[in-house]
Amino acid sequence: KQEVTQIPAALSVPEGENLVLNCSFTDSAIYNLQWFRQDPGKGLTSLLLIQSSQREQTSGRLNASLDKSSGRSTLYIAASQPGDSATYLCAVRLEAGNMLTFGGGTRLMVKP
Amino acid sequence: SAVISQKPSRDICQRGTSLTIQCQVDSQVTMMFWYRQQPGQSLTLIATANQGSEATYESGFVIDKFPISRPNLTFSTLTVSNMSPEDSSIYLCSVTLMKGTTEAFFGQGTRLTVV
Repeated sequence: KQEVTQIPAALSVPEGENLVLNCSFTDSAIYNLQWFRQDPGKGLTSLLLIQSSQREQTSGRLNASLDKSSGRSTLYIAASQPGDSATYLCAVRLEAGNMLTFGGGTRLMVKP
Repeated sequence: SAVISQKPSRDICQRGTSLTIQCQVDSQVTMMFWYRQQPGQSLTLIATANQGSEATYESGFVIDKFPISRPNLTFSTLTVSNMSPEDSSIYLCSVTLMKGTTEAFFGQGTRLTVV
């Protein structure tokens, strides 16, 4: 059974810092991995999708890497802003079209 | 991408009653899923909504408690039946599109409080 772990569970940083969120998964035979952002009481916004054959994806200040063999992914946020404050969720899919298995999330607070 | 309309966005319900949540997508999709997010927790899959047939439920979830319909490729409903305070959660609809990657998109969720 796939298990997904996110470290740290919570993070508080001053504005402008670069930061790294970690995600690990137990079954390396994944189809893809997706990072989401969730604001309090809201749904999920897709940030980045990495296919199993890819090493990284970038969107603006966000960069996600994938090391399938070691079962790890990282989300790098450059020059953090207060508007980045949210919960960040990592999720993996084992097969195309199959459901996602989610990590517990990292709750990020960026202080002005 | 896909635009997902989920209704209602929130509701407060009496125990013992039922609530039906609707999910409408603006594109034809292959897969539709329903997730539950209990307070302070991550997301757990309830079931996969199958077009024109019974949904596929995950362990711990049953059809009598969470009946699901999917009459076509763009619409699904989830009913939370005979509610108790333990059903207080955010319920989320998720889809993957017919064309392109298997990127998952989510609705804005339904915040349910049972009193």
